Amino acid sequence: AQTVTQSQPEMSVQEAETVTLSCTYDTSESDYYLFWYKQPPSRQMILVIRQEAYKQQNATENRFSVNFQKAAKSFSLKISDSQLGDAAMYFCAYSGGSNYKLTFGKGTLLTVNP
Amino acid sequence: KAGVTQTPRYLIKTRGQQVTLSCSPISGHRSVSWYQQTPGQGLQFLFEYFSETQRNKGNFPGRFSGRQFSNSRSEMNVSTLELGDSALYLCASSLELAGADTQYFGPGTRLTVL
Repeated sequence: AQTVTQSQPEMSVQEAETVTLSCTYDTSESDYYLFWYKQPPSRQMILVIRQEAYKQQNATENRFSVNFQKAAKSFSLKISDSQLGDAAMYFCAYSGGSNYKLTFGKGTLLTVNP
Repeated sequence: KAGVTQTPRYLIKTRGQQVTLSCSPISGHRSVSWYQQTPGQGLQFLFEYFSETQRNKGNFPGRFSGRQFSNSRSEMNVSTLELGDSALYLCASSLELAGADTQYFGPGTRLTVL
């Protein structure tokens, strides 16, 4: 079974600084998707960024970018110029196989200090 | 477009009872997924329905069941409630299979089992 590991249960960053959240996954598939979702306190979960495994170029969305290392099965999220509104639980997720079943990591709680 | 809605938002039940939760996806979305979120276990996938068919299923006992209607609305049912079923139940919808597409999450239903 596929597993997704987020080794940092909690992280903190100073406002305007850069932080990187780690995610590793285990799979034997060659074609799959990877996601980072964000769940702010008492608010709905939203997609931050999505990466398709066959694309070598790292996905970027404004201040959010990923470092996708397919051989190492690593998918880290970099948040640049951190803002107070970035404080949230961040979930890494993997999907693959014929039905693209999703597997989520345990999450990383990010605190942004003013 | 209206977002994903879930009803009820809060629910209190006692052990042994059963409960039905409802989810209305974004108009046009064919996939609805359900998740259980607890502090201890994190975010766990329950099942995914796509065009009224269950496409993926998580590792939950048979007490957890679901269905999807022709208008894509979905319900999940938990029978013979246990204390450990207390959780936030999240519903998410997407145009295509959840693992290959962006999911849009609802606000969740907070279930408390006494």
